[in-house]
Formats: sequence, C-alpha cells, structure tokens
Amino acid sequence: KNEVEQSPQNLTAQEGEFITINCSYSVGISALHWLQQHPGGGIVSLFMLSSGKKKHGRLIATINIQEKHSSLHITASHPRDSAVYICAVLLRGQGGSEKLVFGKGTKLTVNP
Amino acid sequence: DTEVTQTPKHLVMGMTNKKSLKCEQHMGHRAMYWYKQKAKKPPELMFVYSYEKLSINESVPSRFSPECPNSSLLNLHLHALQPEDSALYLCASSPSLYRDRGRAIYFGEGSWLTVV
Repeated sequence: KNEVEQSPQNLTAQEGEFITINCSYSVGISALHWLQQHPGGGIVSLFMLSSGKKKHGRLIATINIQEKHSSLHITASHPRDSAVYICAVLLRGQGGSEKLVFGKGTKLTVNP
Repeated sequence: DTEVTQTPKHLVMGMTNKKSLKCEQHMGHRAMYWYKQKAKKPPELMFVYSYEKLSINESVPSRFSPECPNSSLLNLHLHALQPEDSALYLCASSPSLYRDRGRAIYFGEGSWLTVV
C-alpha cells in the first residue's frame, strides 16, 4: 500500500466550479506539501502544512493530523489551473533527517 | 532569487555517450536532490546531498553519478545509459534536511532526457 493516497486520480471541471482534491497518508509525518506540476515539467510548491489551514488567493489547503488527511481546494476554478496536483509528505527519518514521499498525483482539467 | 535552474532543458544522448545534467541555486540551501520522473508517475528520489556530502542514494545504478562541487551546484553525470532511463530529471533544494532548519522545497523545471 502506498504511504500517500490521493483522490481522485483524474478530475474534469467546468470553469468556475469549486474543486477538492484529497490526500490521505498512513504514517507519522513532519509536514505535508501540495505541489503543482504543469505539462512542461516544472514543479511548484503551493503549500507546506503541518497543522490547520492555509490560503493563497483562490487556493486553500487544510490538514487534519489526527485523521492523517489533507485537502486542497480551488475556488472559482479557471482553465489555467489545469495541471497535476501532487500531495507529498515529509517522513521522519533516522538522525533527524526527513524524506519526501509523493502521492501519485491528481490530473485536473478545467474546461472553459 | 527563489529559483532552481537546470540545464539543459532537453538532452538526447546515445547509449555510449557521456553527458551531464546541471543544477544551480543561490538561495543558500544546504540540501539538494535529484529526482527521476517517468510519464504519468510521481517523482522518484535518486540522490540527496546535505552540506555537499551524499546523504541518500536510493540504490541508483552506477551509470548515474552525482556530484556536488559546492553548495550552489549539483551535477548528475550520465554514462552508458539505457533507453529506459529516458525521463524527466528534476533537481530540488531545501534549506536543510533537518527539521529545525525549515522544510520549504523548491524544484527546477527539469531536464528532459531521451536515450536512443
């Protein structure tokens, strides 16, 4: 079983719709990242969370440490939001080091 | 400057060639990473450097050879690659590997490698 599970795998929405992408993880983590990857390849870190909720523009990310669950919400979605959204968790390692483990990603397509 | 710069953006190489991928950051980050990403898959960690020393090697074949000549530069030397090594190679950096130093991570745009 993958340590990080994302759903849905693919998501198609109409412009303006409210979008939610979910991430569940099975191990103790130090923090969780939501990343965005466009077809060109580069990855952008949208949020890094260790508790609570963060908001940036139309994007909102929440995390529930007890439930081992995080959600990424996009309000008033736009075609330029079309990308792959990846949940990645920082796992505690030996000696205080940490390792990033990725979910399989959610491919979002927003149609005009 | 919050950029991680990777060169080249595209590379086509034969199986007998020797080439290198380069990564540079000027954010003062002391942890740098190489990831490999195949189509429609998440990135897979290859190597981690911490304070210019190799910290993690995820059992990567020796035809991939990382090098960290200084705190701003990370290279990936390629030799005798196979067609299945064709992928997007992503470099990333973060302030430190350790919890007390912060965990923000920055990725480069990647280098698309095709082995023919």
